[in-house]
Formats: sequence, C-alpha cells, structure tokens
Amino acid sequence: LAKTTQPISMDSYEGQEVNITCSHNNIATNDYITWYQQFPSQGPRFIIQGYKTKVTNEVASLFIPADRKSSTLSLPRVSLSDTAVYYCLVGASERGSARQLTFGSGTQLTVLP
Amino acid sequence: DVKVTQSSRYLVKRTGEKVFLECVQDMDHENMFWYRQDPGLGLRLIYFSYDVKMKEKGDIPEGYSVSREKKERFSLILESASTNQTSMYLCASNSIANYGYTFGSGTRLTVV
Repeated sequence: LAKTTQPISMDSYEGQEVNITCSHNNIATNDYITWYQQFPSQGPRFIIQGYKTKVTNEVASLFIPADRKSSTLSLPRVSLSDTAVYYCLVGASERGSARQLTFGSGTQLTVLP
Repeated sequence: DVKVTQSSRYLVKRTGEKVFLECVQDMDHENMFWYRQDPGLGLRLIYFSYDVKMKEKGDIPEGYSVSREKKERFSLILESASTNQTSMYLCASNSIANYGYTFGSGTRLTVV
C-alpha cells in the first residue's frame, strides 16, 4: 500500500478556503485517493475520492495532478465545525474493494473564529 | 441514511475477561472491518470479512478473533482481555456498489 505524507496540523480562520496536501510518491496504477474526516470520539467519515484531475462534491474538491504523486483536498469557506482530523488514503478502494485501507497520522485542522 | 451501529460507546472490563464487541450495519454491505485507534498509532486493521463466515487477518490480529454468522453483523472477540487492548475500536463496512467506507461511532474499551 502506498505511503502517504501529510502535514501534522494546520490552522485557519472561519470563512477561508483550506487546502491540505498529501504526498504519495509510490502510488500504483490501480490506486484511488480517498479523504476522510474524523471528529473526536467518532469514526472517520468519507469525504471524497478521486483517481485523476479534479473531483468536486457538495463538501469538498480534490485536485490530483497528472503524475498523481500528490493530491490536495480543498475545503471552501471553512467554519468552526470543520475542526477535525483529515486523513488521506491511497489504495485500491474503488467500488467497495475488501482490501484494507491504511490510515496515516492525518492532519489536525483547527478553524479559529 | 446508511448506518453502522456499535453496541456500546464505553466499556470497562477486567483483565482476563472474554469481551464481545458487536457491530451491525443496515446497508446490506458485503465487507466489514474492525480497526483499533490509538494516539500516535492511527487506525490499525485487526480483521475484516468479505462474506458470511469468511474472515481475513489484518495487521494486528493477535489476541483477537471475529465472527460473522450473518451478513449484517460482525463481532470482535477478545478471548482474554489485557490492559494493552485498552483502545478505541471502530467497525466499518463497504460494498461493491460504493466507494467509501462507513464507520461506526466507536467503542472505547478500558481493560483494568
């Protein structure tokens, strides 16, 4: 499974756009990139998944360059409730594969008023 | 809304006890997983199951066993609880029809 590297922590202010970048230099051809959000004392929650270029949903956008060695999660206009740990995962998790996901240490995002 | 339900949010057990952690999903998912989460170590996979009565070891299966007698239920068993099994335990599921994993809210187990 591809190893991922993310910043340990980030601070932002309410209303700002936040970009969290993840490095995954040894990503495999079949690997997808998935981001999860976790609040204290809760399980991780799926945010977004992509394979290449750009993916957008109602919560976030995911930017993946052509070489796929990194990806950026973009959260528009964050609020205090977006304070959480964000995990970047890389693996063959498309279409509900039973193969395990490996969670890294994640990025603690703190949104300040 | 899809749901993974773990039977207990908090549990305190004594060393040597047999402990059962139950997980139920209502989404007809084929795959179910048990993770434990510890500060500084992230989430680590204990066991997973891709079908009824099927199971596969994850990264840290020692001291644990699992049971999947019905599609919707996946149980984690600590045969003889030890203090180093004090942790947050998370159950998850997914299916061949979707991309994401759905996690339960977790069970915080303390072994004293």
